[in-house]
This record gives sequence, C-alpha cells and structure tokens, in this order.
Amino acid sequence: AQSVTQLDSQVPVFEEAPVELRCNYSSSVSVYLFWYVQYPNQGLQLLLKYLSGSTLVKGINGFEAEFNKSQTSFHLRKPSVHISDTAEYFCAAVRGSYIPTFGRGTSLIVHP
Amino acid sequence: EAGVTQSPTHLIKTRGQQATLRCSPISGHTSVYWYQQALGLGLQFLLWYDEGEERNRGNFPPRFSGRQFPNYSSELNVNALELEDSALYLCASSKVRSGLSTDNEQFFGPGTRLTVL
Repeated sequence: AQSVTQLDSQVPVFEEAPVELRCNYSSSVSVYLFWYVQYPNQGLQLLLKYLSGSTLVKGINGFEAEFNKSQTSFHLRKPSVHISDTAEYFCAAVRGSYIPTFGRGTSLIVHP
Repeated sequence: EAGVTQSPTHLIKTRGQQATLRCSPISGHTSVYWYQQALGLGLQFLLWYDEGEERNRGNFPPRFSGRQFPNYSSELNVNALELEDSALYLCASSKVRSGLSTDNEQFFGPGTRLTVL
C-alpha cells in the first residue's frame, strides 16, 4: 500500500525566512503527488500538484515543490514566508486504487 | 462554479445518538469521498462513493455508513456515537474515474465539526 511520510509535525520559522516542508512517499511508479493547505477551521485547499513533466512544480501563494524520483520525495518550499502562511500542510499521493494517501500533516508556524 | 458544500457546519450530539452529515459535490463530479480528521491524526479515509455505489471503505467500524444519491450528493451516517468520534469530517469530490489522470484530483469542502458529549 502507498504511504506518505511528512517528516516534521511542526516547523516554526520567522517571517520572510525560507521554509521547506518535507514529504516522502513509498512508491515512484505512476504516482501523482499533491500538496494541500488547511487554514484554521477550514477545509483543504490545493496548493500544487505533480502529474508528469517538469519535476519543479509551481503553485499558489509563492509555493513550489520538486519531484525527486530517486529519493521518492516531494518537498514543498517557499523562499520567503508570511504570517498568513501559518497553517497545516498535507502531502498526498495517488496511484492504483484512486484513493489518495495523506501524510499526517505539518504545522507551519510563522513568527513575526 | 460552486465548490463542494457540506452541512451542517457544526453538530453537537451526545453519546449513543446518531449523526447525519451531508455533502454536495461540484457539478459534474460523480465521486464523493469522506474523511475523518481527528486532532493530531491527520486525514483518515472513511468512504468513497462513485456513481451511487460504495467503491472503497477505510478501516472504520460498520456504524460509519453512508450513501450517494442520484444527484451525486452524499450522506454520512454515524450511529451509536462515541466520544472519540468527535472530529472534523471532510467531504471531497472528483470527476469520473478514468485511470490515473487529472480526474483524480479531489476538491474539498469546508467540513462539518462533530462534537460528541
């Protein structure tokens, strides 16, 4: 079965600093990868997705992620974070059964 | 285009009662997924409905059930509520399944916060 591991449960960072949220998945065969953001008391919103093609994917709000097949990773990055980026971030992978597997989430906390 | 909608926003029940949660998918989407998001546990897959049929089920007891209506909206029923059922229940929808394609992308609703006292 597919598994998704988000290596950090919480990432504190100061405003305007760069950030990387890590995600590893268990299989690189025909897998689609997603990052979602969840603001407090809201549902999930798609940040970006990798389906095929260029391994560097750009999303909304200045986020980007890089698909690394050899390391089975799909880390999320932003060069300069804002207070408003404080939220829960979920990595997800889809293959085969069409039921996405979600990581447990990473709480990004941006300090002023 | 209207997004996925869920009702109610909040629901308070007592132990042993039944809860019914509702979801309306995006127009044109035939698949509906239900997830439970309990504190600190991430998203746990509950149920997947497609074209009115239950296609897959997560590791939850039978008192979690649901259905999908001809208009593709869906209900999640939780019987004999327990305290640990308190969670945010998220519904998502996607287009018709057609192999591994962009149709698999899920769009989420805002959730129903269920509190069991």
